Amino acid sequence: AQSVSQHNHHVILSEAASLELGCNYSYGGTVNLFWYVQYPGQHLQLLLKYFSGDPLVKGIKGFEAEFIKSKFSFNLRKPSVQWSDTAEYFCAVNGRGATNKLIFGTGTLLAVQP
Amino acid sequence: EAGVAQSPRYKIIEKRQSVAFWCNPISGHATLYWYQQILGQGPKLLIQFQNNGVVDDSQLPKDRFSAERLKGVDSTLKIQPAKLEDSAVYLCASSSRLGVNTEAFFGQGTRLTVV
Repeated sequence: AQSVSQHNHHVILSEAASLELGCNYSYGGTVNLFWYVQYPGQHLQLLLKYFSGDPLVKGIKGFEAEFIKSKFSFNLRKPSVQWSDTAEYFCAVNGRGATNKLIFGTGTLLAVQP
Repeated sequence: EAGVAQSPRYKIIEKRQSVAFWCNPISGHATLYWYQQILGQGPKLLIQFQNNGVVDDSQLPKDRFSAERLKGVDSTLKIQPAKLEDSAVYLCASSSRLGVNTEAFFGQGTRLTVV
């Protein structure tokens, strides 16, 4: 069965600190990988995505993620966080199978202190 | 382009009452998803449509939840009767096609409180 694990539920950082959020998935075939962000009071928005090619993908607002196929991981990184990055971050996976189900992890709540 | 539209934004009902949510996806998007997001958890897929056909509804509690997507465009999700544990945000999302490299776009959600 397809599943996604996010290991950090709450992360508190000071501004300018570096960020890495872990994401591991379970799926037997080829996958598309996503990170979505939900700012307070707003809807889910796409941060970045991986379909194929270069496993290091860059998204909006200075975020990047690296797909490591051997580890079934797609960790999100940002070298220097800002107060405005305070939000909830969700890793999501859809397997390129017949149903193409889009499955989400439990989310990581990031609080950046000024 | 216009985004995914959902209504209502908020709904408060008593347990055992019924409720319906409406979603209008992005024009031309064939795939439509309904998710349930309970506070502190990630979105849980309830049902996925491709045009007007159901692709996956394995997580939909069919004794009380139903969904339809007539004509392959907008969709309604119904709960009858509601339970306290149904309190959640119900998210609708759409994507252009099934099985193709594409992302899902989300609506603002409907926050349901069952009292």
